[in-house]
Order: sequence, then C-alpha cells, then structure tokens
Amino acid sequence: NAGVMQNPRHLVRRRGQEARLRCSPMKGHSHVYWYRQLPEEGLKFMVYLQKENIIDESGMPKERFSAEFPKEGPSILRIQQVVRGDSAAYFCASSRMAPGETQYFGPGTRLLVL
Amino acid sequence: QKEVEQNSGPLSVPEGAIASLNCTYSDRGSQSFFWYRQYSGKSPELIMSIYSNGDKEDGRFTAQLNKASQYVSLLIRDSQPSDSATYLCAVTNFGNEKLTFGTGTRLTIIP
Repeated sequence: NAGVMQNPRHLVRRRGQEARLRCSPMKGHSHVYWYRQLPEEGLKFMVYLQKENIIDESGMPKERFSAEFPKEGPSILRIQQVVRGDSAAYFCASSRMAPGETQYFGPGTRLLVL
Repeated sequence: QKEVEQNSGPLSVPEGAIASLNCTYSDRGSQSFFWYRQYSGKSPELIMSIYSNGDKEDGRFTAQLNKASQYVSLLIRDSQPSDSATYLCAVTNFGNEKLTFGTGTRLTIIP
C-alpha cells in the first residue's frame, strides 16, 4: 500500500533554471494538493487539483509557478526561472473524493536554489 | 489576526507527563480539524482528525473540539521522548478543501 510519492527528494537548481516536482497520489486518491514550507515557517497551501482540473490555485504565486494533474501520470509543480526565495520544502498531499477527507502527505521535495 | 493560531513553544514536558497543545481558529465556518506531527526534516504525519464537538481518543492521544469557543486541543498522555516534534494544527472549511495550518508548536519531552 504505497503512500504518496514525490520525486525528486532533493533538487538543486541555479537561479534562472526550471524546477519540476512530481507527485503520485495514494492509490484510490483523486485529489492532489501542493503545499510549500519555507525555512522556519509554516506550511502554506499552493494549489488543489483533480485529474485534468485545477480546482483552487489561490495560493500560487502569480508568476513562474504552474501545476497540472494530467489524465495519466503524476501531478507536476513547475517553477520557471527559479530565484533563491523559491528554496523551500514542497509537499504534495492527496485525499479521496469526499469533502473534508484527510490529506496524506508525501515525503516532500527539498528545493535549493543556488 | 491569523486564521489558525498556535503557541510556537518550545513546550517542554517531562517524560510520562501529559502534554497539552492548543489551537484557535478564526473562521466559524471551519468544519474539519486535524493534528499533524512533523519531525525535523520530515513531512507532516496525521495524528488525529476531529469533526464534531467533544473528545476523540486514539491510544495516548485525545483531540478536543469546542466550536463555540473556536479552539481545538491535543492531549498526549504518558509522553515519550519519541513524541518530541512540531505539532501542526490544521483546519478546512466546507467547500474549500485546502488545509490552513498554524505555525506549529515545538514539543520537547525531557527524559
């Protein structure tokens, strides 16, 4: 019974490069959420997706960030032209269909921008 | 006013004692409440969920919810050194599935 999977676990990028973070939800889960945790700060919601649909992107920065959850394959959080302030832990969570269902977190991707 | 507030701690509790963690929230529309535990450098791990007023017990953990006072708490009985972690309170609102987190309370169990 695999949990939420994220890769890579660690990602180093230079300023101006692109970062792609992948998330595979738990089996049977169709809702995916992305959260960001900046150093010494709390977890902040970024985006909520279902297959082929962005449901809520109210926490996404307006520029450089995008997310998708295609019909086939993992959800992807894409950060273009990374800056040092993007260095953080990015967590993906998934849940089943029902509202209010528990979200289970993946191990996270630690992004370091040099 | 923050949406979800927790004492940042650190909270130090002797081994074997009861650790009490508190959380208040500002949105009366909040429907679902969660406690997550996060060890340093790791991802959040669900400890308890609670949806209705009252107490919910699971092993050494008890979650308490009081919607009228807008607070939720977590009690850890017989605290163990392995309970040392940051505890995150999170809420969701009906029709809005995103988790809103508090900044967490750092708990240290002293052997």
